[in-house]
Amino acid sequence: DAGVTQSPTHLIKTRGQQVTLRCSPISGHKSVSWYQQVLGQGPQFIFQYYEKEERGRGNFPDRFSARQFPNYSSELNVNALLLGDSALYLCASSGNPYEQYFGPGTRLTVT
Amino acid sequence: AQSVSQHNHHVILSEAASLELGCNYSYGGTVNLFWYVQYPGQHLQLLLKYFSGDPLVKGIKGFEAEFIKSKFSFNLRKPSVQWSDTAEYFCAVNTNRDDKIIFGKGTRLHILP
Repeated sequence: DAGVTQSPTHLIKTRGQQVTLRCSPISGHKSVSWYQQVLGQGPQFIFQYYEKEERGRGNFPDRFSARQFPNYSSELNVNALLLGDSALYLCASSGNPYEQYFGPGTRLTVT
Repeated sequence: AQSVSQHNHHVILSEAASLELGCNYSYGGTVNLFWYVQYPGQHLQLLLKYFSGDPLVKGIKGFEAEFIKSKFSFNLRKPSVQWSDTAEYFCAVNTNRDDKIIFGKGTRLHILP
């Protein structure tokens, strides 16, 4: 079975631009969560979606938004990019809400 | 607010040494506990988990962890490490009130051959 997939792998953007990151969960998983991992830190929770509804939101500004589609894939959008948004963005899917499986991540660099 | 504290940021051991990585969490209610591992160049993988029952849980690759509720701890152990255990290890907690997982800052483990 395929694991969680994310695209793109790497991305370079300029300050002020907008970015969209994509995630496809493991087949059969209905929940998707997004995390931000800054170098040297553990992942920080951004959002969780279940059956297309937002189930949780972390302490991130409104520039961050997400959605989940009928096929359970998800997009994370970040507007008005700042240098501090440079990070590895991880997507995790779960069939059990307390057990999450992570994708390889998208490395975002903001210059 | 929930938080997870990992005691060691960087640990260096020789092969065959015993390993214990400390983890403490702050939350007074029921918790689910995890250890994740990130090998160089690879994505986060679940090493082991505790939801309920026997507080000594066994994971993959010979790792185990013990949940001590009175100490709010979930330390990771392995009796004899291998060079291939070189990785970053993250302790994480989740509560039944919330779906998010809170991670510690991670411990970078380096095993000398």
